[in-house]
Amino acid sequence: EIVLTQSPGTLSLSPGERATLSCRASQSVRSSYLAWYQQNPGQAPRLLIYGASSRATGIPDRFSGSGSGTDFTLTISRLEPEDFAVYYCQQYGSSPWTFGQGTKVEIK
Amino acid sequence: QVQLVQSGTEVKKPGASVKVSCKTSGYTFSNYGISWVRQAPGQGLEWMGWVSADSGNTNYAQKFQGRVTMTTDTSTSTAYMDLRSLRSDDTAVYYCARDSYYHSSGLYPDWGQGTRVTVSS
Repeated sequence: EIVLTQSPGTLSLSPGERATLSCRASQSVRSSYLAWYQQNPGQAPRLLIYGASSRATGIPDRFSGSGSGTDFTLTISRLEPEDFAVYYCQQYGSSPWTFGQGTKVEIK
Repeated sequence: QVQLVQSGTEVKKPGASVKVSCKTSGYTFSNYGISWVRQAPGQGLEWMGWVSADSGNTNYAQKFQGRVTMTTDTSTSTAYMDLRSLRSDDTAVYYCARDSYYHSSGLYPDWGQGTRVTVSS
């Protein structure tokens, strides 16, 4: 199965700053079938990005995704208070679908 | 709007079984499938498998094969996940998520609220 490694584990930033989250796959992700989810404590994950760079319905344009092959990035251009959460990448190109271990974006 | 409402918290002893339900509304249940994803305390997400709502076809992650059964009841638009021979490392929050009909797409815009399952002697 494809192992996804996210970095950093924790990102300490202030509101208004730019966040850059990384996701590296142990093998190439077929057709860039890479998604990003946001999760707040006690809540279900929320789909942000699919196909590596397409925003899901209702997701603000400050969220953007990029990458292909084995290296992917989620960028939040200007952090809003509600963006401080845990972010997971997920590949859905090769079964079993797998998730990264998460990056926590916390308030500095 | 699409809603998936899961059953409540469960506490089980090692070796027991648990059955979690996921009642859906706001869409035509039989035109989609349901996947199950779990999250151990403080850990990441783990895909367990998929069931087609109408046909009952399933695809389980190898890790859970032989121990999990996913079923649906189209008359009540409800999906079920039955996990047997529970161990302490099965302690997790279990989520259902709307998926595709013919096979799991792996993409989940709609989720249930989660069901906490604790396995402890």
